[in-house]
Amino acid sequence: AQKITQTQPGMFVQEKEAVTLDCTYDTSDPSYGLFWYKQPSSGEMIFLIYQGSYDQQNATEGRYSLNFQKARKSANLVISASQLGDSAMYFCAMMRGNFGNEKLTFGTGTRLTIIP
Amino acid sequence: DADVTQTPRNRITKTGKRIMLECSQTKGHDRMYWYRQDPGLGLRLIYYSFDVKDINKGEISDGYSVSRQAQAKFSLSLESAIPNQTALYFCATSFRGPNSPLHFGNGTRLTVT
Repeated sequence: AQKITQTQPGMFVQEKEAVTLDCTYDTSDPSYGLFWYKQPSSGEMIFLIYQGSYDQQNATEGRYSLNFQKARKSANLVISASQLGDSAMYFCAMMRGNFGNEKLTFGTGTRLTIIP
Repeated sequence: DADVTQTPRNRITKTGKRIMLECSQTKGHDRMYWYRQDPGLGLRLIYYSFDVKDINKGEISDGYSVSRQAQAKFSLSLESAIPNQTALYFCATSFRGPNSPLHFGNGTRLTVT
């Protein structure tokens, strides 16, 4: 069965420092997608970044980058120059399944707190 | 206006009551999903629909039912609410394909007393 593991329930990081949020996944499918979502205290789910299993380069979106290590089955989110507004829950998720039947499965999340 | 709208935003109900959560979208996506979020468990898939005539159970469908009234509308019902269904419920939509992100509504916070 597919599984997403986020081993850091909570993290505290000084403002302006970089932070890495860990995510490992388990699947035997050759084709899958990895996503990161942010959930601020207001509760909404915000899509941050996507990495496809066949992508040769790591995905980047502004201050967000995804450190994709396929052999290790890890997809860590890196936030550069952290800001107070980055304080939130962060969820890693994997989309897999036969074409036309893909489903998204989430990890349990990491609560990130940025310290001024 | 939000692209994915959930109503109500908050609901308190009593054990045994039937309750419906509604979701509508203006994104033109074929696919719609219902997830519930519990502390420490992340988001778990309840039901999903890839088009109007397609309804599928997720990992935790017991005690829930859904209706896809139109491409843009997908409702979730709790036939007889129980306290362990107290949670934050999210509706989401997407295009088809493994690289299509889900777009979420703002959630419905349901409390069953």
